Amino acid sequence: SQTIHQWPATLVQPVGSPLSLECTVEGTSNPNLYWYRQAAGRGLQLLFYSVGIGQISSEVPQNLSASRPQDRQFILSSKKLLLSDSGFYLCAWSVRGYTGELFFGEGSRLTVL
Amino acid sequence: AQKVTQAQTEISVVEKEDVTLDCVYETRDTTYYLFWYKQPPSGELVFLIRRNSFDEQNEISGRYSWNFQKSTSSFNFTITASQVVDSAVYFCALSAYYGGATNKLIFGTGTLLAVQP
Repeated sequence: SQTIHQWPATLVQPVGSPLSLECTVEGTSNPNLYWYRQAAGRGLQLLFYSVGIGQISSEVPQNLSASRPQDRQFILSSKKLLLSDSGFYLCAWSVRGYTGELFFGEGSRLTVL
Repeated sequence: AQKVTQAQTEISVVEKEDVTLDCVYETRDTTYYLFWYKQPPSGELVFLIRRNSFDEQNEISGRYSWNFQKSTSSFNFTITASQVVDSAVYFCALSAYYGGATNKLIFGTGTLLAVQP
């Protein structure tokens, strides 16, 4: 069966520090991968998606970047965090070539102080 | 542009009551998909249902049922005989068919359901 994991689960970082959130998927190949952010107020905003290694599409200009160094690995990064980067970050995957549901990881809660 | 509206921010019911969560969507695409997700306090989003735009049949799964009406662009979710374990934030989402290359979901702002014992 397929599983998705992301870490760390919780992170408290000072303004201006770097960020790295990692997500890995197991049990499937060639997945589409996504990073969403859920800010206070609950709405989920799509940040990045990827249809293959090294292929990253950004939905919203921001202080963050994403990379996909391996087929089932998706990384969210920042060189210098802002207060506005605080939120709950969710990684997800879906089957490529199928407009089906997304499967989400456990989420990473980031607090920037 | 695509948009999903969940006008109900919070709903509180007493256990065993029925509750309906509303979802209204906007899209210009003729082929699209609608979803419902549940987010319990743990934070992980749990997939509940997917419905395509050509299938307007209502669906029932245990205590859950969904009513899809293209005429009103709505995809409402009803929980029958609610239980405390149903307490969560529920999200409605929309995606368009892009030829299968990707599947970008547009989410509503969610409805917090609190079921009191």
